[in-house]
Amino acid sequence: NAGVTQTPKFQVLKTGQSMTLQCAQDMNHNSMYWYRQDPGMGLRLIYYSASEGTTDKGEVPNGYNVSRLNKREFSLRLESAAPSQTSVYFCASIGQTNTEAFFGQGTRLTVV
Amino acid sequence: ELKVEQNPLFLSMQEGKNYTIYCNYSTTSDRLYWYRQDPGKSLESLFVLLSNGAVKQEGRLMASLDTKARLSTLHITAAVHDLSATYFCAALNDYKLSFGAGTTVTVRA
Repeated sequence: NAGVTQTPKFQVLKTGQSMTLQCAQDMNHNSMYWYRQDPGMGLRLIYYSASEGTTDKGEVPNGYNVSRLNKREFSLRLESAAPSQTSVYFCASIGQTNTEAFFGQGTRLTVV
Repeated sequence: ELKVEQNPLFLSMQEGKNYTIYCNYSTTSDRLYWYRQDPGKSLESLFVLLSNGAVKQEGRLMASLDTKARLSTLHITAAVHDLSATYFCAALNDYKLSFGAGTTVTVRA
């Protein structure tokens, strides 16, 4: 049981490049989330998906897009990376009946 | 919109003493979570609180929830060095999970 798996763990991008961060959970959870964490700050919600087929904006959605590919997978796309998007990105999932929220190990992204 | 506020943001603890971290949230919440994060690591789940008056304890940590006051507390008993970390609370409302800014705890001898 892997829980929540994020790939890649580390990435360096040049300004203007695009990339997709992948997140998959094997717990049959309905809700999935993407957060960013900047040094000395808490977690800010980028997008979330309450269930398969739905996505909603969080606090800081500008510059990002998401896809809830199926119940297991929720990807985050940066179309044109900017240095301000340098951050650690976390994916999380919550089940309907299982009340815990599980987090992936994070993706450390640097945009130069 | 759900806002979550934690205080204090920084807490210097002396070993052996007791302390409390406070978490206020602005609207009705379905669940209240507490997490621990060590530097460079992901978030480790500590507690999930579901209902008014809920109290959970694990070792030196105890969390409680007062839904009427929209307040959760994390109480640390007899602090030890291993408890040095950043602690976050998060509230869930209508599927949206919002975090507080975190409390960075340092335990000194």
